[in-house]
Amino acid sequence: DAKTTQPPSMDCAEGRAANLPCNHSTISGNEYVYWYRQIHSQGPQYIIHGLKNNETNEMASLIITEDRKSSTLILPHATLRDTAVYYCIGSNYQLIWGAGTKLIIKP
Amino acid sequence: DSGVTQTPKHLITATGQRVTLRCSPRSGDLSVYWYQQSLDQGLQFLIQYYNGEERAKGNILERFSAQQFPDLHSELNLSSLELGDSALYFCASSLTGYSGANVLTFGAGSRLTVL
Repeated sequence: DAKTTQPPSMDCAEGRAANLPCNHSTISGNEYVYWYRQIHSQGPQYIIHGLKNNETNEMASLIITEDRKSSTLILPHATLRDTAVYYCIGSNYQLIWGAGTKLIIKP
Repeated sequence: DSGVTQTPKHLITATGQRVTLRCSPRSGDLSVYWYQQSLDQGLQFLIQYYNGEERAKGNILERFSAQQFPDLHSELNLSSLELGDSALYFCASSLTGYSGANVLTFGAGSRLTVL
């Protein structure tokens, strides 16, 4: 199971792109990278996932390095509602959830 | 509304008591997962069921047990409750029980307070 490492907190100005890094150097070749977020004490919400290629959906973009040892979640135009804890997890996610990154969007 | 229903939303009980938390998965999902989240902590995986069978087990205490019924709803039973069991308990569901491209949908959680 991939163990992931994320910065404990980050700030971003409203309207700017928020770039959240994640290190997953132990990820195996067939293991996906998932991103979820948790707003206050609500249930975590799925954002995006990827294996090798970069991915984009209506919420975010996911950039995975060629060696797959790290990735970056990009929220293109952050709003105050994007303030949350963001979790990056490997495929066998039911076992290992770290502390995530607390992202604070500032007006 | 995520489609995953958890009841009750809030529960206050005393030490030594027993409680049951219930989860109805999203329509069509076969797998159910239970997680515990203590104050300001990350999610701790407890147990996973797929189509009625236990699929994976995490750091679930012996005082806790769970099951998934034929209609696919699941119950998490917590007994001999201690103060430290106070936490948010989340249920999640997914279409399959396999790791890989398998997105989890979470419920709103059940907040347990043990006094």
